[in-house]
Amino acid sequence: GIQVEQSPPDLILQEGANSTLRCNFSDSVNNLQWFHQNPWGQLINLFYIPSGTKQNGRLSATTVATERYSLLYISSSQTTDSGVYFCAVAPRVSDNDMRFGAGTRLTVKP
Amino acid sequence: DSGVTQTPKHLITATGQRVTLRCSPRSGDLSVYWYQQSLDQGLQFLIQYYNGEERAKGNILERFSAQQFPDLHSELNLSSLELGDSALYFCASSVQGEAQFFGPGTRLTVL
Repeated sequence: GIQVEQSPPDLILQEGANSTLRCNFSDSVNNLQWFHQNPWGQLINLFYIPSGTKQNGRLSATTVATERYSLLYISSSQTTDSGVYFCAVAPRVSDNDMRFGAGTRLTVKP
Repeated sequence: DSGVTQTPKHLITATGQRVTLRCSPRSGDLSVYWYQQSLDQGLQFLIQYYNGEERAKGNILERFSAQQFPDLHSELNLSSLELGDSALYFCASSVQGEAQFFGPGTRLTVL
């Protein structure tokens, strides 16, 4: 099946720093989403981005489907950005059931 | 708030028991997905329903089953529970082929 790899596995930042999280996937996809799992366990939608670039405030994402990777940019990080960031993809030959990467655990220190 | 609701939020039960988790999708979404998040396996897709019909199956154990009702809510039934079934169970919904929105999850603890 499709493989989803996220890097780095852990990231520690000072408040105000910028970061880039990467997601590599091994096959063509219909769907790619980025999620933030907060300390209470809730999975929050960040982006639905099977291709192209999107921005939402301090966050932006880019997916290059032909090269099978996606990037999540966090600028001017805040302590509330802490948590685990997941990339999930739905293989092209699927009914949109998603495969998750192992996540990047982000800790933002004040 | 994603618009997807799940009940209960927490469930504590004993080995060998059976439980039912409930999910109500966002208004208008016909697709419902169930996922399991455990410490050792990460987030895994279990099963998908579309408008009452099973559409896709992932790593779902035979002891687990699900259904989607005419009002589109879904239930995940877990039976003969084992310690290893302790996990966070998520339901998600979507318009078919588009972004999935996740509920708050049900945290299951099997003692």
